Amino acid sequence: AQSVTQPDIHITVSEGASLELRCNYSYGATPYLFWYVQSPGQGLQLLLKYFSGDTLVQGIKGFEAEFKRSQSSFNLRKPSVHWSDAAEYFCAVGALPPGYSTLTFGKGTMLLVSP
Amino acid sequence: EAGVTQFPSHSVIEKGQTVTLRCDPISGHDNLYWYRRVMGKEIKFLLHFVKESKQDESGMPNNRFLAERTGGTYSTLKVQPAELEDSGVYFCASNPSGSYEQYFGPGTRLTVT
Repeated sequence: AQSVTQPDIHITVSEGASLELRCNYSYGATPYLFWYVQSPGQGLQLLLKYFSGDTLVQGIKGFEAEFKRSQSSFNLRKPSVHWSDAAEYFCAVGALPPGYSTLTFGKGTMLLVSP
Repeated sequence: EAGVTQFPSHSVIEKGQTVTLRCDPISGHDNLYWYRRVMGKEIKFLLHFVKESKQDESGMPNNRFLAERTGGTYSTLKVQPAELEDSGVYFCASNPSGSYEQYFGPGTRLTVT
């Protein structure tokens, strides 16, 4: 069975500083990987996804993530954090086939942005 | 295009009562998913509809939960009778057949007292 680990429950970053949120997954085949963000009062919004090809994927809002098969990781990064990035971030893995796949989520990382 | 909508946004009920949550997927999306997040835990899959048929209901916690998707459009999730451990946020998502991305609704926060 697949699983996702987000080791950091909370992270505080100063505005303008860089950000890296960690995600490790367990899956027997090539995974489909996602990062979602949930802002207060909002639903889950997809930031980016990885299916195949280039292991560095770009997403919305200036986020990127790198798939590292050897480390079973899919860490999310942003070079300069804005106060509006304060939210909860979820890493998820999907199984094949993608059209019928359900998602397995990590427990989430709450990002706090300090002035 | 309207996104996935869920109703109500919040519900507070007493233990033993019944609650029905509704999800309206994006028009034309055959796949509809229900997920739940209990406080402090990860978001967990409950079940998956393809049109009006249940494709996978392996995540449903017990027979107090009943999901339907009449006519392959909107879906309801009924909890009867509700227990304290049912409290959490219930998310609905949808996508077209063959799609990789699931589009999520804002969730329904259920509190059972």
